[in-house]
Amino acid sequence: DGGITQSPKYLFRKEGQNVTLSCEQNLNHDAMYWYRQDPGQGLRLIYYSQIVNDFQKGDIAEGYSVSREKKESFPLTVTSAQKNPTAFYLCASSIDWTGYLDTQYFGPGTRLTVL
Amino acid sequence: ILNVEQSPQSLHVQEGDSTNFTCSFPSSNFYALHWYRWETAKSPEALFVMTLNGDEKKKGRISATLNTKEGYSYLYIKGSQPEDSATYLCASGNSGTYKYIFGTGTRLKVLA
Repeated sequence: DGGITQSPKYLFRKEGQNVTLSCEQNLNHDAMYWYRQDPGQGLRLIYYSQIVNDFQKGDIAEGYSVSREKKESFPLTVTSAQKNPTAFYLCASSIDWTGYLDTQYFGPGTRLTVL
Repeated sequence: ILNVEQSPQSLHVQEGDSTNFTCSFPSSNFYALHWYRWETAKSPEALFVMTLNGDEKKKGRISATLNTKEGYSYLYIKGSQPEDSATYLCASGNSGTYKYIFGTGTRLKVLA
């Protein structure tokens, strides 16, 4: 089955530690995205990647880092510089970078809690 | 950042009732609007992508309309069923931003 997987489903981290969230897709999509969801807010874009070895900051990139070394993988690192990391994180992909018309395919999400 | 607003935030309807909710988005430089359905513990799934003023899309009992001049889209569900219970998200794409702006969603609960 084609799709997007995110792991782990739940993640706990001590304050001051970096943590990496996994996102893998086997849809052969060029573009990948990371969103954050907080209560009462819409999905907010953290980082996006149009193609392998390229990525751009979204609206709330501070305290996060990404890499795109392989087409199918787009891991997100939440660093200790992120002031409010507790949130639900969604990864998505789309066929290519036409932007507006592309439907995004989402993973199941990772809920990160900082203790 | 442009705002996309959805209303109501949540609603409960009885099985068999028809319902509708609204997505409001900035009409300037509009390019496309997406509707997604997000069931609890699952991934959001695409319902519709709409681009033209007056556009209407339908999938089974769910349909959507688009008014780009005034900046709103309606999502209708006819004869709601418990399996329609989900959060319905809309996302607007505007030329020049290369990003979707998501609304906060409407959480629908259909009571059997």
